[in-house]
Amino acid sequence: KQEVTQIPAALSVPEGENLVLNCSFTDSAIYNLQWFRQDPGKGLTSLLLIQSSQREQTSGRLNASLDKSSGRSTLYIAASQPGDSATYLCAVQYSGAGSYQLTFGKGTKLSVIP
Amino acid sequence: DTAVSQTPKYLVTQMGNDKSIKCEQNLGHDTMYWYKQDSKKFLKIMFSYNNKELIINETVPNRFSPKSPDKAHLNLHINSLELGDSAVYFCASSPFRDSTEAFFGQGTRLTVV
Repeated sequence: KQEVTQIPAALSVPEGENLVLNCSFTDSAIYNLQWFRQDPGKGLTSLLLIQSSQREQTSGRLNASLDKSSGRSTLYIAASQPGDSATYLCAVQYSGAGSYQLTFGKGTKLSVIP
Repeated sequence: DTAVSQTPKYLVTQMGNDKSIKCEQNLGHDTMYWYKQDSKKFLKIMFSYNNKELIINETVPNRFSPKSPDKAHLNLHINSLELGDSAVYFCASSPFRDSTEAFFGQGTRLTVV
């Protein structure tokens, strides 16, 4: 059974710092890995999606990497801003029980202090 | 203009009641999901439908029953509500079954008292 772990559970940084969020998964037979952002009272926003054949994806100040063999992904946020404050979720999509499922980690709550 | 919309956003009800949460997507997607986020923020998939056909049915109580009248709608009915059902429920859709993208609704916060 696929398990996804995110470290740290919470992170507080001053504005302008670069930071890294970590995600690990137990079964490397995945189709893709996604990073989401969750804001209080709002739905999840997809940030980056990395196909299983890819190593990284970039969008603006965000860069996500994927190492399938070690079961790890990182989300790098450059020059953090207060607006980046949110909970960041990592999710893997894989084949299970004859269908395709998404499994999420518990998230990292990020606070960027002005 | 909302891609995936859930109603209601908040639902407070007493134990034993029956309630429904509606979900609609206007993206033309084939696949829709229901997720439950518990108090520890862990998201767990409950159901998935592809073109109105149930394809994922995780271990949830029989009191939870999804209904998909058409591929743009996936409603969640919950009978005999219990305190432990309190959580945020997220609906999501994907373009097709094997898609690598998922679009989520804003969630419905259910509180059972």
